[in-house]
Amino acid sequence: GAVVSQHPSRVICKSGTSVKIECRSLDFQATTMFWYRQFPKQSLMLMATSNEGSKATYEQGVEKDKFLINHASLTLSTLTVTSAHPEDSSFYICSAKLGNYGYTFGSGTRLTVV
Amino acid sequence: QQQVKQSPQSLIVQKGGISIINCAYENTAFDYFPWYQQFPGKGPALLIAIRPDVSEKKEGRFTISFNKSAKQFSLHIMDSQPGDSATYFCAASIRNAGNMLTFGGGTRLMVKP
Repeated sequence: GAVVSQHPSRVICKSGTSVKIECRSLDFQATTMFWYRQFPKQSLMLMATSNEGSKATYEQGVEKDKFLINHASLTLSTLTVTSAHPEDSSFYICSAKLGNYGYTFGSGTRLTVV
Repeated sequence: QQQVKQSPQSLIVQKGGISIINCAYENTAFDYFPWYQQFPGKGPALLIAIRPDVSEKKEGRFTISFNKSAKQFSLHIMDSQPGDSATYFCAASIRNAGNMLTFGGGTRLMVKP
């Protein structure tokens, strides 16, 4: 089946530094990617939608200058958390749209900012 | 505004029992209703999904029941097993609206041996 490979699975970074998370579609072309954030024991919150070759669409309240999304190819989308702070510590998950209805999710990235 | 409401938040079931999780939605334009299973530290994985033109869909031990008039759908896990212990999310999307998923709040299921 369609697989999205997400890396890294865990990352610890110092406050003020930037972290890049990658999601690659391994056996299909992902025209649309979604990025979610999930706090402990909570649901997934959509951060942004990215379409290959165009600017990402951010949800209300998500700082586009802090969470940089790049979807330059049909197989790679990246999320860069810039100038990370402890409150950015969370579980980040990407998802690719499959056809008209399906979605496949990456395995998630646990970000800890110290 | 939460468009998909999920209940209960947590559920404890004995091994072999039936786990039932319910979701209600508000937007009648939703036309795709998937259920996802998520284990700690992992991304969600699709369990089963339904579209509103059918009232029930069964795949193995998992069944979705869909009530269009009541705007409700539910997941039934038959013969629940300890390995089913996870968090379950219902979701909904609209085909022609960017296809973004709207998730319910999640249900933490624990199946006791």
